[in-house]
Amino acid sequence: GENVEQHPSTLSVQEGDSAVIKCTYSDSASNYFPWYKQELGKGPQLIIDIRSNVGEKKDQRIAVTLNKTAKHFSLHITETQPEDSAVYFCAASISTGANNLFFGTGTRLTVIP
Amino acid sequence: DTAVSQTPKYLVTQMGNDKSIKCEQNLGHDTMYWYKQDSKKFLKIMFSYNNKELIINETVPNRFSPKSPDKAHLNLHINSLELGDSAVYFCASSRQSEQYFGPGTRLTVT
Repeated sequence: GENVEQHPSTLSVQEGDSAVIKCTYSDSASNYFPWYKQELGKGPQLIIDIRSNVGEKKDQRIAVTLNKTAKHFSLHITETQPEDSAVYFCAASISTGANNLFFGTGTRLTVIP
Repeated sequence: DTAVSQTPKYLVTQMGNDKSIKCEQNLGHDTMYWYKQDSKKFLKIMFSYNNKELIINETVPNRFSPKSPDKAHLNLHINSLELGDSAVYFCASSRQSEQYFGPGTRLTVT
C-alpha cells in the first residue's frame, strides 16, 4: 500500500517568515495530494490540493508543488501569521471511486509573534 | 450549516462494552469514510463506503463495523471495546476527490 513520509515533525518560524513542509510518497499510481490543517480539538480542514497533472498550485499565501518523478510534494506558506499555527498533514490517494487518503505523520507548525 | 457532524464528541466507556458513533453529512456527497487518529496524531483510514462498495482497511479488527442507513449517514459500531481502541475517530465525506472531515469523537476506553 501507499506510504507517505512527512518532514519535519515540528517547525517553528517567526511571524512573517516562510514555512516549508515536505512529503514523499511510494505508490506511483497516486494522483491526488491534499494538504490538511488541524487545529486543536478540531477535525482536519482541507486547505489546498494538487493533482498529478499539475506541477504547482497557489492560493493566496499557500502554495503546493509536486514532483512526480521524485515522488515528492511540498507545502509552502509565505508571510506566516500566528493563526497559521496548527498541525499540517499531507496525504496521497488514487483518486478513483472511493479514494482512501494515506496521511503523513504531521508537522506541528508554530508561528512566533 | 452544511457540514459533516458526529455524535457524541466525547465517549468514555469500559472495556468489553459495545458502542456506536454516529456520522451525518448534508453535503450531498456519495462516499463516506472513517479514520482513526491515535495519540501520536497519526491518521489512518478504516473504511470507505458508497452505495456500491465497502472498502475495509485490512488492519481494522472485525469488532469494528460501519453501518449506513442512507447516503447521508455512516455510523461506526464497535464491539467488545479494548484499551487500544482509545483514539479520536473522524468521519469524512466526499463527492469526488476532496474529503471533508467531521469534528471527531474522542473515545476513551477504561
